[in-house]
Amino acid sequence: DVKVTQSSRYLVKRTGEKVFLECVQDMDHENMFWYRQDPGLGLRLIYFSYDVKMKEKGDIPEGYSVSREKKERFSLILESASTNQTSMYLCASSLRPGGTLGQPQHFGDGTRLSIL
Amino acid sequence: QQQVKQSPQSLIVQKGGIPIINCAYENTAFDYFPWYQQFPGKGPALLIAIRPDVSEKKEGRFTISFNKSAKQFSLHIMDSQPGDSATYFCAARGGYNFNKFYFGSGTKLNVKP
Repeated sequence: DVKVTQSSRYLVKRTGEKVFLECVQDMDHENMFWYRQDPGLGLRLIYFSYDVKMKEKGDIPEGYSVSREKKERFSLILESASTNQTSMYLCASSLRPGGTLGQPQHFGDGTRLSIL
Repeated sequence: QQQVKQSPQSLIVQKGGIPIINCAYENTAFDYFPWYQQFPGKGPALLIAIRPDVSEKKEGRFTISFNKSAKQFSLHIMDSQPGDSATYFCAARGGYNFNKFYFGSGTKLNVKP
């Protein structure tokens, strides 16, 4: 079974702090993703990575950065946390799609981040 | 603008009923359409998925219907149970980037005993 582990379930930080959210997957997946989930907005992609040290912006990258130094680990960084970044953050991983195959994403259980 | 539009936002059915959740998309380059189920406090988990060359797919009590010409797809849950109460997300993959998924806004389903 694929396991995607997010380091914290709940996190409370102050405005202006630099915040690190960590995610580890154990299935040797090439792709890793960071989403934020807000009521009524579904899942919105922040960044994704398709290989070590490779990254691409998603739909809402402003105020965030990412790091992927090892294949199994993908970090999300809030450079200077603001109250509008209070949200549920979800990490996911998948195999790189090959040919016409669809490869599902496997999600962690999320980090609920509150910025005060 | 949302690439995948999902409705309804919430749904209440009695046990044994057949809830239907609908999704629509515009981008004809999308090539893979998964549905995810999310329970409170958990991440979304893949429920069932379909490719656009198939009009229907069944897995147990869950069925996806796919209408390529209308660019719509829907999830039907047969003989729904209280344990099916969860939030459901449709998604679509592709466009110019096969690594990227676009999610609907979610439907909160409540199945009453």
